[in-house]
Amino acid sequence: QSALTQPASVSGSHGQSITISCTGTSSDVGGYNFVSWYQQHPGRAPKLLIYDVNNRPSGVSNRFSGSKSGNTASLTISGLQAEDEADYYCSSFAGSSNHNVFGSGTKVTVL
Amino acid sequence: QVQLQQWGAGLLKPSETLSLTCGVYGGSFADYYWSWIRQPPGKGLEWIGDINQSGNTNNNPSLKSRVTISMDTSKNQFSLTLSSVTAADTAVYYCAREYAVANFDYWGQGTLVTVSS
Repeated sequence: QSALTQPASVSGSHGQSITISCTGTSSDVGGYNFVSWYQQHPGRAPKLLIYDVNNRPSGVSNRFSGSKSGNTASLTISGLQAEDEADYYCSSFAGSSNHNVFGSGTKVTVL
Repeated sequence: QVQLQQWGAGLLKPSETLSLTCGVYGGSFADYYWSWIRQPPGKGLEWIGDINQSGNTNNNPSLKSRVTISMDTSKNQFSLTLSSVTAADTAVYYCAREYAVANFDYWGQGTLVTVSS
């Protein structure tokens, strides 16, 4: 069960938009519309940002959006703010045997 | 408001058994899967396994033989045991509620478990 592939780091200026990719296979990301995204600040538990590819839980800013094409899912953060500086993880359902797999994580820096 | 509070031993010796428990306060315990997830220091998240009210479990194949997840529905608690721990099992362990399929919407505060001789 290999981790989904994310870029180690992404940076952007305040107010800009950035996109984080999450690449898997047809057995996970490409096979199901069950991709979620999490934000984690240092020393804190992860927070659910996006579920089922492109849905936001109540209370999550609409600056966060998700999409998927083939085996790659993406998280876009628009209007980048200082508080968006954190680690971001994707996750996908991977079938009844493996059930769930996380991405390798991306550190977002706001310049 | 749903809250997850977890507890358990934080320092183990190699070959010992890790044991953690997570209490669920508020919301329904019956309608969800409940998961354990871990994060080695400075590294990414790893899903360990989950359980539902019927006692159905799913485990990460890489840990399957060492992992037991159980629950006490009378107390709204679920537990993780991981046998024969090594230094590679050193991590922050989180409990989490699984919303629908593989979406973790509520998390415990995390417990750092260190394995050292």
